[in-house]
Amino acid sequence: DADVTQTPRNRITKTGKRIMLECSQTKGHDRMYWYRQDPGLGLRLIYYSFDVKDINKGEISDGYSVSRQAQAKFSLSLESAIPNQTALYFCATSPTGLPYEQYFGPGTRLTVT
Amino acid sequence: SQKIEQNSEALNIQEGKTATLTCNYTNYSPAYLQWYRQDPGRGPVFLLLIRENEKEKRKERLKVTFDTTLKQSLFHITASQPADSATYLCALVGSSNTGKLIFGQGTTLQVKP
Repeated sequence: DADVTQTPRNRITKTGKRIMLECSQTKGHDRMYWYRQDPGLGLRLIYYSFDVKDINKGEISDGYSVSRQAQAKFSLSLESAIPNQTALYFCATSPTGLPYEQYFGPGTRLTVT
Repeated sequence: SQKIEQNSEALNIQEGKTATLTCNYTNYSPAYLQWYRQDPGRGPVFLLLIRENEKEKRKERLKVTFDTTLKQSLFHITASQPADSATYLCALVGSSNTGKLIFGQGTTLQVKP
């Protein structure tokens, strides 16, 4: 079984809808991350969490919110989806200490029409 | 601002040759530099890392060099195979306990049989 799983894998939604992307991990890592990937722009950090009570904004957090329900679960929400949030979204985990190598989920392809 | 650059042009090489990918950075003093492989539609997979005080690191057919004076890392795949075709991402990690990585946009490698 995969160590980091994401649901759904694909989602098409309409502008203005609320949508939640979910991430679960069995690696036992405390640190979890949400990234989005756009062609030519690489991976950009949306939010990250060091533990259940520690959530931090990344470089592009506007329009997104997160919830860390447990050590193993980290959800990303788009409160009111807009077309420029169409992207590939990845969840990742890392060990607590340096060098924070990341273990990624399979991704969610989100299309906002 | 911190900037990390990888060649956006795809690298095409013949099977059996050595592929060399470049990662340059500015305005940053990383403690570690990491390399990831990403296949289309999939999450990145961690390959290997090199510390700031290391000049070279090897893992099977992979070799990474790190020149902190030039602010550059080179990633080599020797005896390349068509199965090595993928996008390769570099990422920087600082020495502070921020737990965040800065990713390059990746270089696509195509190995022709």
